[in-house]
Amino acid sequence: DGGITQSPKYLFRKEGQNVTLSCEQNLNHDAMYWYRQDPGQGLRLIYYSQIVNDFQKGDIAEGYSVSREKKESFPLTVTSAQKNPTAFYLCASSIRLAGADTQYFGPGTRLTVL
Amino acid sequence: AQSVTQLGSHVSVSEGALVLLRCNYSSSVPPYLFWYVQYPNQGLQLLLKYTSAATLVKGINGFEAEFKKSETSFHLTKPSAHMSDAAEYFCAVNSGYSTLTFGKGTMLLVSP
Repeated sequence: DGGITQSPKYLFRKEGQNVTLSCEQNLNHDAMYWYRQDPGQGLRLIYYSQIVNDFQKGDIAEGYSVSREKKESFPLTVTSAQKNPTAFYLCASSIRLAGADTQYFGPGTRLTVL
Repeated sequence: AQSVTQLGSHVSVSEGALVLLRCNYSSSVPPYLFWYVQYPNQGLQLLLKYTSAATLVKGINGFEAEFKKSETSFHLTKPSAHMSDAAEYFCAVNSGYSTLTFGKGTMLLVSP
């Protein structure tokens, strides 16, 4: 069954701790993305990667870091420098279809800072 | 630059009524346009997309959208709402960049 998996589904963190969110895909997509979702604000792009060992900052990269060592995996680390990390985090991957990069999403991870 | 405006953060309809969710975009080049649906605590699911092949695009679950270049719009419609359509809907645009730009979303509420 092809798809995008994110783990864990719910994550709790104490202030001052770093935490890593997992994202894996077996769709053989080249590009992967991380978004943050807050109520009423839509999706905001954190980081994206179009190829292994390369990634670019999105609109709200401060306080986050990523790596792309394998095509299938794109983990996101939320560092202690992120001032307000409580949010719903979505991972996506994309493939070019009919000229358009079409993104497909994982089920999300809800991070709560205690 | 590219941007998306979704008019109305909440839309309420009765079951069986027409659903109309509005999306206007800004793009300096011919865009690709998408509609996604999100159920509570889940990821986004692709409903449909416009890639210039046809201006009227049919998607899953009976939804369709029409691309109108003169109005820079890509409104989402469904003739008859079901209770199961209650969810949040996002419009997104890609106009030659590597990434999508999303609207802020419209919550569709369906009453019996």
